Amino acid sequence: AQTVTQSQPEMSVQEAETVTLSCTYDTSESDYYLFWYKQPPSRQMILVIRQEAYKQQNATENRFSVNFQKAAKSFSLKISDSQLGDAAMYFCAYRSYNTDKLIFGTGTRLQVFP
Amino acid sequence: EAGVAQSPRYKIIEKRQSVAFWCNPISGHATLYWYQQILGQGPKLLIQFQNNGVVDDSQLPKDRFSAERLKGVDSTLKIQPAKLEDSAVYLCASSLGQGIYNEQFFGPGTRLTVL
Repeated sequence: AQTVTQSQPEMSVQEAETVTLSCTYDTSESDYYLFWYKQPPSRQMILVIRQEAYKQQNATENRFSVNFQKAAKSFSLKISDSQLGDAAMYFCAYRSYNTDKLIFGTGTRLQVFP
Repeated sequence: EAGVAQSPRYKIIEKRQSVAFWCNPISGHATLYWYQQILGQGPKLLIQFQNNGVVDDSQLPKDRFSAERLKGVDSTLKIQPAKLEDSAVYLCASSLGQGIYNEQFFGPGTRLTVL
C-alpha cells in the first residue's frame, strides 16, 4: 500500500522569504502522480501543483515549485516570495496511475509573519 | 461557476444518534467523492461515485456508513449509529470525470462532533 509522510507539522516563514515543505512517499509503482493541496482556515482545499512521475522536469506554478526526486521518493514544495495569503495547511498527496483515489499526508501548517 | 456545496457546515450529535450530510457537486461533474478528515490527519477517501454508480467504497465502514447519489447529481452520506471516533470533517469533492486530468474540487466540509 502507498503511504505519504509529511514530517513537519508546522513551519513558519517571513513575508517575502522562501520556504520549503517536505514530503516523502512509499510506493512500488512506477507510474503515479503527486500533488500539493492548500487548505486555508475554514475554506476549501485547493490544488496548488501537480507532478507526473514520468516527467523529469519539476513542475512550477508562479511562486510555487516542486523538487521531485523519484529515486529518493521525495516531493518537496518551495514557496517563493511568501505572502500572508499563503498561510494554510498544506497537504501532499499521491495518486496511482489507474485510480482517482488521493492518498494524503498528515499536513504541514504554514504560518507567514509580516 | 458555483463550487461544491455542502450542508450542514457544523453538526453536533450524541453517540448512537444518526446524522446525514448533503453534497451538491459542481454542475456537470460526473464524479463525486466523500472524504473523512480526522483532526491531525489528511483526508481519507470513503467513497467515489461515477454518475450514480459506486467506483470505490473499499474504505467505507459499511456497518454504519452509507452513501447514495440518486440521479447522479446530489449525494448524501449517512452515519447510523454514530461513534465518538466519527468526529471529523467530511469533505465532498467533484470532478468532471475520472482520470488524472480531471481535477478534484473540494467543498467547505461538514464538521461533525460526536459527544
